[in-house]
Amino acid sequence: QVQLQESGPGLVKPPETLSLTCTVSGGSIGSFYWSWIRQPPGKGLEWIGFIYYTGSTYYNPSLKSRVTISLDTSKKQFSLKLTSVTAADTAVYYCARGLELGFYYSMDVWGQGTTVTVSS
Amino acid sequence: DIRMTQSPSSLSASVGDRVTITCRTSQDIKTYLNWYQQKPGKAPKLLIYGASSLQSGVPSRFSGRGSGTDFTLTVSSLQPEDFATYFCQQSYSIPRTFGQGTLLEIK
Repeated sequence: QVQLQESGPGLVKPPETLSLTCTVSGGSIGSFYWSWIRQPPGKGLEWIGFIYYTGSTYYNPSLKSRVTISLDTSKKQFSLKLTSVTAADTAVYYCARGLELGFYYSMDVWGQGTTVTVSS
Repeated sequence: DIRMTQSPSSLSASVGDRVTITCRTSQDIKTYLNWYQQKPGKAPKLLIYGASSLQSGVPSRFSGRGSGTDFTLTVSSLQPEDFATYFCQQSYSIPRTFGQGTLLEIK
């Protein structure tokens, strides 16, 4: 059964770069969209972006100038980099697997989430 | 961006009740609508995709309906483990967007 696990620093200073990695175990990287989503404390979910297994990337325009998502198929990992962070980037960050069932895209496997706090 | 509006924001109900949560979108998204359940401190869990298709392993008391701009998630008979927050999410366009969530609490 596929599992995802986020890793990375829990504390980042502004205006440094937030870097997280998601490791995929128990399944293939191929034919899926590998996604990042975040959730500020007590708030709703915000889609950050995803990378298709071919390497194509799609980002939320609200973050696009600061976000990079990359994929390392040999390690079965994908990564998030968010530059110039501020306190507003404090959130639980989730990685997730996106797939298409018929014409429909959804995120069916999620990591447990990792809390990132931006503070000096 | 497509705006997602859920109602109600919170709901109190009892075990055995039938409850319905509504999600309205700012533009026509056909049936490109997913529903997720999130419990405190946990990641969201996919319940429904394509507006009405039940994800594998999800109990049949959960059902989804709708198309265009109006969608519903219904739980036919609430169980204790169903008390959680529910989010809708559209997969029609980029950026993917979520509703603000509906907190389902025990009465």
